[in-house]
Amino acid sequence: EPEVTQTPSHQVTQMGQEVILRCVPISNHLYFYWYRQILGQKVEFLVSFYNNEISEKSEIFDDQFSVERPDGSNFTLKIRSTKLEDSAMYFCASSEQGSPNQPQHFGDGTRLSIL
Amino acid sequence: KQEVTQIPAALSVPEGENLVLNCSFTDSAIYNLQWFRQDPGKGLTSLLLIQSSQREQTSGRLNASLDKSSGRSTLYIAASQPGDSATYLCAVEGATNKLIFGTGTLLAVQP
Repeated sequence: EPEVTQTPSHQVTQMGQEVILRCVPISNHLYFYWYRQILGQKVEFLVSFYNNEISEKSEIFDDQFSVERPDGSNFTLKIRSTKLEDSAMYFCASSEQGSPNQPQHFGDGTRLSIL
Repeated sequence: KQEVTQIPAALSVPEGENLVLNCSFTDSAIYNLQWFRQDPGKGLTSLLLIQSSQREQTSGRLNASLDKSSGRSTLYIAASQPGDSATYLCAVEGATNKLIFGTGTLLAVQP
């Protein structure tokens, strides 16, 4: 069964450094998402992306964050200058279509640790 | 603002028992509701999706119901097995395609 793949599985970065998290969505999917889960807390929506532009973003997704689909297969999340509170599990998801009847499929996540 | 709550937060049952997990949401204007399973250190596996016009969905030993007007969904697991041990999350999707998650129920099935 096709799946969403994320790399790396674990990223350790010094505070203030830039980090890029990578995702390969399912090949025929058109909608892409990033979510994050701080340890012990709920999974939170960050951003959705369709047709090469951001559809919606949350309050968390400030100017330090950006997303890009650099080619036909990858979808990246960049954090420009990381802070301690960016430490979390970051999940990429994709869906074939938008609502209402297409489930979002999630990758295994990247655990980001900021030192 | 949509809020999603799951009870109980944790549940431990002996193998073979049937069990029910609960999810409630405050805004009934949803497009669908999804149930996910999360294993420790892993991603989210989609179990069932119920569209807002549907009352229930079934997959194997899993049955999910939706009562949109009262803002509730249940996930019924029949004949539980130790391999069912995981965190179960529900999430609702509104007009904007984003999922809003509950805090999850940590299920332990004892052999």
